[in-house]
Amino acid sequence: KQEVTQIPAALSVPEGENLVLNCSFTDSAIYNLQWFRQDPGKGLTSLLLIQSSQREQTSGRLNASLDKSSGRSTLYIAASQPGDSATYLCAVTGTASKLTFGTGTRLQVTL
Amino acid sequence: DGGITQSPKYLFRKEGQNVTLSCEQNLNHDAMYWYRQDPGQGLRLIYYSQIVNDFQKGDIAEGYSVSREKKESFPLTVTSAQKNPTAFYLCASRESGTNYGYTFGSGTRLTVV
Repeated sequence: KQEVTQIPAALSVPEGENLVLNCSFTDSAIYNLQWFRQDPGKGLTSLLLIQSSQREQTSGRLNASLDKSSGRSTLYIAASQPGDSATYLCAVTGTASKLTFGTGTRLQVTL
Repeated sequence: DGGITQSPKYLFRKEGQNVTLSCEQNLNHDAMYWYRQDPGQGLRLIYYSQIVNDFQKGDIAEGYSVSREKKESFPLTVTSAQKNPTAFYLCASRESGTNYGYTFGSGTRLTVV
């Protein structure tokens, strides 16, 4: 059974810092990995989708990498801003096209 | 704009009552999903449907039922058999095939009163 772990569970950084969120998964037989952002009481917003054949994807200040063989992904956020404060979730699509989520990293960017 | 609409945003259920959560998408996606989110437990799959008139149980289907009569609609009924229904419910959709990501709605918060 696929298990997805996100470390750290919570993170607080001052504005302007670069930061890395980590995601690991136990079964490397995945089709893709997706990073989401969730604001309190809201739905999930897709940030980046990485196919299993890709190594990384970039969107603005966000860069996600994928090392499928070692079961790891990182989300790099450059020059963090208070508006980046949210919970970040990673999820992998595996067999039967089922999506398995990690429990998230709660990020707070302080002024 | 294309997207997923969930309604209502907040829903209150009395003990022994069935309630239905609505999920509508105009993305022309074949597959639709229902997830439940509880604090500290992440998202868990309740039911999913990959095509009209067909659906499968997810990891926590007991106490829930669904229908998929139209491609754009996938309502979830929380029955009285669900002993702990208070949670945040999220609907998602995606295109068929393994190369596509998921799109989520804004969620419905269900509370038992």
